[in-house]
Amino acid sequence: DAGITQSPRHKVTETGTPVTLRCHQTENHRYMYWYRQDPGHGLRLIHYSYGVKDTDKGEVSDGYSVSRSKTEDFLLTLESATSSQTSVYFCATGPGLATVDTQYFGPGTRLTVL
Amino acid sequence: SQKIEQNSEALNIQEGKTATLTCNYTNYSPAYLQWYRQDPGRGPVFLLLIRENEKEKRKERLKVTFDTTLKQSLFHITASQPADSATYLCALVKGTGTASKLTFGTGTRLQVTL
Repeated sequence: DAGITQSPRHKVTETGTPVTLRCHQTENHRYMYWYRQDPGHGLRLIHYSYGVKDTDKGEVSDGYSVSRSKTEDFLLTLESATSSQTSVYFCATGPGLATVDTQYFGPGTRLTVL
Repeated sequence: SQKIEQNSEALNIQEGKTATLTCNYTNYSPAYLQWYRQDPGRGPVFLLLIRENEKEKRKERLKVTFDTTLKQSLFHITASQPADSATYLCALVKGTGTASKLTFGTGTRLQVTL
C-alpha cells in the first residue's frame, strides 16, 4: 500500500456527529486524494490536495471538508454525519500528476452512520 | 453528461483462457487511461497506464488497448489464473496540470475457475 495508512479502519457513528478520518503517508508524495466507494457508483473523488495547504473540491464534496497541514497527513472531516455518508472511504497518494502517474491507495475506512 | 461504463455483470472464465474486459466512455476526450485491480476489502492497485497515442500497452500477461475513435479501452489477461480473480477498474484522466484527476468506472468482477 505504498506506506499509506488510514485511521480508523472501521467506525460506527450517529447522525449529526462530527467525524474525522486520517490518512498518513510515508512516501513524501505531493498529491493526496479522498474517495468514497459505493455499490453502483464506483470510486468518486471527494477532495484532493496538490500540496500543503493546497486543496480543491472533487465530484462529491458537499458535506465534507479537508485539511493538509503537513505533507504526510490529509484529514477528511464530516462536520455533521448523515446516513448518506455511510460508505467506504479510500485515501490515495500520487507522486505526480494523474496524467502521468499512478495513484497509490490506502486500505480504506468503513464508515457507518446510523 | 460524461459517463464511463464497465460491464457490471461478473465475467466468469476458465483457467488458461484469455479474459477481456471492456471500458466504454462517452462525452470524454481523455488523453490518458489507467487500469486498476481491486481485491475485496482492499484499496485499488495500479496496473497499467496508456496514452491516447499508444493504442496498445503490455505488461507481462496484461494487455490494454485504447481506441479513441470507438471511445473504448479493452483490458486483456492472457493465460488467466484463479489468482487473477478480482474487480478491475478503468479510470480516465480529466483536467490538466494540478487539476488533473481520475474518474473511475464501477468496475468489472472477474472470476477465474479451475
